[in-house]
Amino acid sequence: EPEVTQTPSHQVTQMGQEVILRCVPISNHLYFYWYRQILGQKVEFLVSFYNNEISEKSEIFDDQFSVERPDGSNFTLKIRSTKLEDSAMYFCASMTYMNTEAFFGQGTRLTVV
Amino acid sequence: GDSVTQMEGPVTLSEEAFLTINCTYTATGYPSLFWYVQYPGEGLQLLLKATKADDKGSNKGFEATYRKETTSFHLEKGSVQVSDSAVYFCALSPTGFQKLVFGTGTRLLVSP
Repeated sequence: EPEVTQTPSHQVTQMGQEVILRCVPISNHLYFYWYRQILGQKVEFLVSFYNNEISEKSEIFDDQFSVERPDGSNFTLKIRSTKLEDSAMYFCASMTYMNTEAFFGQGTRLTVV
Repeated sequence: GDSVTQMEGPVTLSEEAFLTINCTYTATGYPSLFWYVQYPGEGLQLLLKATKADDKGSNKGFEATYRKETTSFHLEKGSVQVSDSAVYFCALSPTGFQKLVFGTGTRLLVSP
């Protein structure tokens, strides 16, 4: 069964360092997302991506964040200079058409020390 | 803004007990409503959904009814199994948007 895969499963980084979280969405999907969940809090929407551009982003998604689909298969989230408060579980998701089921990856746990 | 409120966990039940996990929402317009489940070590999986008032979503013995008058979408199952132990997330998709707005999740622990 097709699935969304995320790597790495756990990343530890020092404050101020850049990190790139990687996702491989399901191959025929058109809409791509990043969400995050700080421990004990809600799963929060970060950004949606369609047709090679950002279609919507939340207030959390500031200039420190960027997304790319560099090669037609990977979908990456970059955090330029990590802060302690970026520590969270980051989920990637993809969807075929708007308002159909979103398929989620298993998540990357980011720990900033 | 749009929001989802879920009952706090963990919810601890014995096998074959009846399950209810409460979910209420605040939204303008007519959102779609979802329950996602996360088993240990796995991603979020869609459990069921309802796209309009009075719709009932169902899957794997779980049910939830979209109640516009009480802005609720409570998850129920008549007889839980140990394999149902997971974290359950209630979510909504605002009218005309692709994104999901999630609740905090409720952990369910089922003992034999």
